[in-house]
Amino acid sequence: DTAVSQTPKYLVTQMGNDKSIKCEQNLGHDTMYWYKQDSKKFLKIMFSYNNKELIINETVPNRFSPKSPDKAHLNLHINSLELGDSAVYFCASSQEGAWISGNTIYFGEGSWLTVV
Amino acid sequence: LAKTTQPISMDSYEGQEVNITCSHNNIATNDYITWYQQFPSQGPRFIIQGYKTKVTNEVASLFIPADRKSSTLSLPRVSLSDTAVYYCLVGGSSASKIIFGSGTRLSIRP
Repeated sequence: DTAVSQTPKYLVTQMGNDKSIKCEQNLGHDTMYWYKQDSKKFLKIMFSYNNKELIINETVPNRFSPKSPDKAHLNLHINSLELGDSAVYFCASSQEGAWISGNTIYFGEGSWLTVV
Repeated sequence: LAKTTQPISMDSYEGQEVNITCSHNNIATNDYITWYQQFPSQGPRFIIQGYKTKVTNEVASLFIPADRKSSTLSLPRVSLSDTAVYYCLVGGSSASKIIFGSGTRLSIRP
């Protein structure tokens, strides 16, 4: 079973469209994240949710809106897509709290978004 | 938040031992040091984590000096399949504060 799964894996869409990427984790973690990896391969955190509540919201355009219906799901909705939104978006999860041995972040396989 | 600095890229050959060093001069008392590996078209994957001295698992070893201002990931006898980007991260009590730097692109040649 895939621990962190996200769909779709590939998405090609036109500028101005609205799209969503879904994420689910079956690890029982209470914290989920969205990361963005750009063409230069920098991996930047966008959002972090802990038990369905937003705890990190980095400098991200408000066209990006995360939604967490329950602690096992964190979806990313993007409005009015722009060319610069083209990137790989990774969903991840972890157990929050003090870092102990083996307490780590688990990533999904990524969603390749191309805006044309 | 502790920032990390690591080489942008490294090259090596199959069968060699590879050491990748990461600097984290402003590491905090509660911070652990964690390394991730990312293959093309995949998400990052946990390799090893440590707090001080040396940690070893079936994949790698992690050496951390007493001042903890740097760490070295050691990959014994690399193979072509070890070609990947390796990220060094430093973080403490909150996993949500972990920041990924630019990583080290390791290329292994036959």
